[in-house]
Amino acid sequence: QSALTQPASVSGSPGQSITISCTGTSSDVGSYNLVSWYQQHPGKAPKLMIYEGSKRPSGVSNRFSGSKSGNTASLTISGLQAEDEADYYCCSYAGTRVFGTGTKVTVL
Amino acid sequence: QVQLVQSGAEVKKPGASVKVSCKASGYTFTSYGISWVRQAPGQGLEWMGWISAYNGNTNYAQKLQGRVTMTTDTSTSTAYMELRSLRSDDTAVYYCARDLIIIAAAGTYYYYGMDVWGQGTTVTVSS
Repeated sequence: QSALTQPASVSGSPGQSITISCTGTSSDVGSYNLVSWYQQHPGKAPKLMIYEGSKRPSGVSNRFSGSKSGNTASLTISGLQAEDEADYYCCSYAGTRVFGTGTKVTVL
Repeated sequence: QVQLVQSGAEVKKPGASVKVSCKASGYTFTSYGISWVRQAPGQGLEWMGWISAYNGNTNYAQKLQGRVTMTTDTSTSTAYMELRSLRSDDTAVYYCARDLIIIAAAGTYYYYGMDVWGQGTTVTVSS
């Protein structure tokens, strides 16, 4: 199964909103609303930010939100903060699991 | 608190095998599954496979079929991942993660994601 497609990088200024896309196929993202999103800081383990497309685990800021349209899922970070600078990965359940290619978020 | 603690770093020669452990605490081990994910230096995350701690059912990434085996020991709440016939491109940080999927009646899926992660185990394959 091929990796989901994400932009290599996205940047924004503090306080702005950014959106990261995650494009799959009708066999994964399009078939299931079971996309999760992970944040990874350098040298650290990933952290779950969103599951089932739009649900936030306890403790995750409401500045993070998820959505889906067709074969593309999206993660929006509003009110961008310096601590949001990290790599972000989407992951779709499709019988197995498949990760996205990853997006480096830079806070200008 | 809920945590997963992995075994220490390994250095292996090409062709050898490695077995990484992942000890769970703070929750009912058999109520969840465990996914294994690896990350080569400077690269993205790669899902390797999943095992149910309830019944031992496994689901491996096609790329690793035949080289990977995932097991659990419910008496010690520990999951294991063994990778055989190691190659240089298996050099990576290997993570375990708690991973819960529920397939309810009528084919409804509930997937709670990989919500707890181990600290990672560095495996280096070098001659």
